[in-house]
Amino acid sequence: QQQVKQSPQSLIVQKGGISIINCAYENTAFDYFPWYQQFPGKGPALLIAIRPDVSEKKEGRFTISFNKSAKQFSLHIMDSQPGDSATYFCAAHDHSGGGADGLTFGKGTHLIIQP
Amino acid sequence: EAQVTQNPRYLITVTGKKLTVTCSQNMNHEYMSWYRQDPGLGLRQIYYSMNVEVTDKGDVPEGYKVSRKEKRNFPLILESPSPNQTSLYFCASSSSPPGTEAFFGQGTRLTVV
Repeated sequence: QQQVKQSPQSLIVQKGGISIINCAYENTAFDYFPWYQQFPGKGPALLIAIRPDVSEKKEGRFTISFNKSAKQFSLHIMDSQPGDSATYFCAAHDHSGGGADGLTFGKGTHLIIQP
Repeated sequence: EAQVTQNPRYLITVTGKKLTVTCSQNMNHEYMSWYRQDPGLGLRQIYYSMNVEVTDKGDVPEGYKVSRKEKRNFPLILESPSPNQTSLYFCASSSSPPGTEAFFGQGTRLTVV
């Protein structure tokens, strides 16, 4: 069964700190790894994504680190702000898998940034 | 503005009373999906559609039906809702090829009593 394992389930970080969320996978057919951000009352929205031919992608304060050999990827939020408080989902796309979008989601991380 | 629109946003219904949650996208996307979100379980795909008249089961299809008669619309049908279908539902669409950004609707919170 295709799975993406996400940890931690919840995370509290002080304002200005670094938030780190980790995901691990087993399926080597995964070829695209997005992170989605969800605010209360809203649908998930794409935050940042990476393909396995690079080890890191940075967009502003958000960075994905990707370790192909370990089959792990992580989201780092630098200088975390209260506005970053949200639920974060990692996902992976299998080009040979089912589903219109082929995405397998992690179970989510509820992030709280304390002022 | 590119968007996926779901209706209704909130719905309380009784067991066994058929209901439909509508989903419409204005981006001319080929791919559309329905997910349910439950605490601790994340997003689980219910059904998906690769194009008009092409639909298939996702991971948790029991108790649900879908149709795709037009490219922009992908309604989710619960013919006999049960309390275990109480959940937050999201419709999503994405363009070809799959694996590009998926756009999600605002969600429909369904309570079945």
